Amino acid sequence: AQSVTQLDSHVSVSEGTPVLLRCNYSSSYSPSLFWYVQHPNKGLQLLLKYTSAATLVKGINGFEAEFKKSETSFHLTKPSAHMSDAAEYFCVVSPSGGSNYKLTFGKGTLLTVNP
Amino acid sequence: SAVISQKPSRDICQRGTSLTIQCQVDSQVTMMFWYRQQPGQSLTLIATANQGSEATYESGFVIDKFPISRPNLTFSTLTVSNMSPEDSSIYLCSVRVLQGSLGNTGELFFGEGSRLTVL
Repeated sequence: AQSVTQLDSHVSVSEGTPVLLRCNYSSSYSPSLFWYVQHPNKGLQLLLKYTSAATLVKGINGFEAEFKKSETSFHLTKPSAHMSDAAEYFCVVSPSGGSNYKLTFGKGTLLTVNP
Repeated sequence: SAVISQKPSRDICQRGTSLTIQCQVDSQVTMMFWYRQQPGQSLTLIATANQGSEATYESGFVIDKFPISRPNLTFSTLTVSNMSPEDSSIYLCSVRVLQGSLGNTGELFFGEGSRLTVL
């Protein structure tokens, strides 16, 4: 079984300040983890993914995430928020082994960026 | 990567009618999925669209309500049948790119979704 918990449903930051979106997971397998972003009226776009290589993963648009097995966390960060970062963010977990290919989505975190 | 086109992008429908959503991928992919995103919610997997055979539905979703076709490796349709206002959602087609020897570590690529409003 697997699950993912996004600890904040809404995060509000000022432009130019750091962003932290928190995600905790549980998985019976060694997991693959993803962060997706959804801008208003758009589909989902992959920001970054962890698939058992380096624990610090760099993605697009200056985002990065660190896989911490001991804490079962995969928090998303960005040093300096931009207005265009305002969107919904989804943390996603999938087992990286075995025949189970199903992804489990978190409930999402809405990021608001204030000028 | 994969580029996914969905049609229609949005529609407003009357209760009791049916709507078919089309999904076209620019490359042959093995795994295609249909998700539903209800207003303000996360994504819920409806079914896996299997090429040449019946789709595999998740708990709570049935073929009579959400018939799915997948005639080839680049195209699928989802029909929302006998619609009610509770079916108002975004419906997203997605494909999974398999990578490496583990096979299932690849990410999902999504279409832009079909926004359905049922009156």
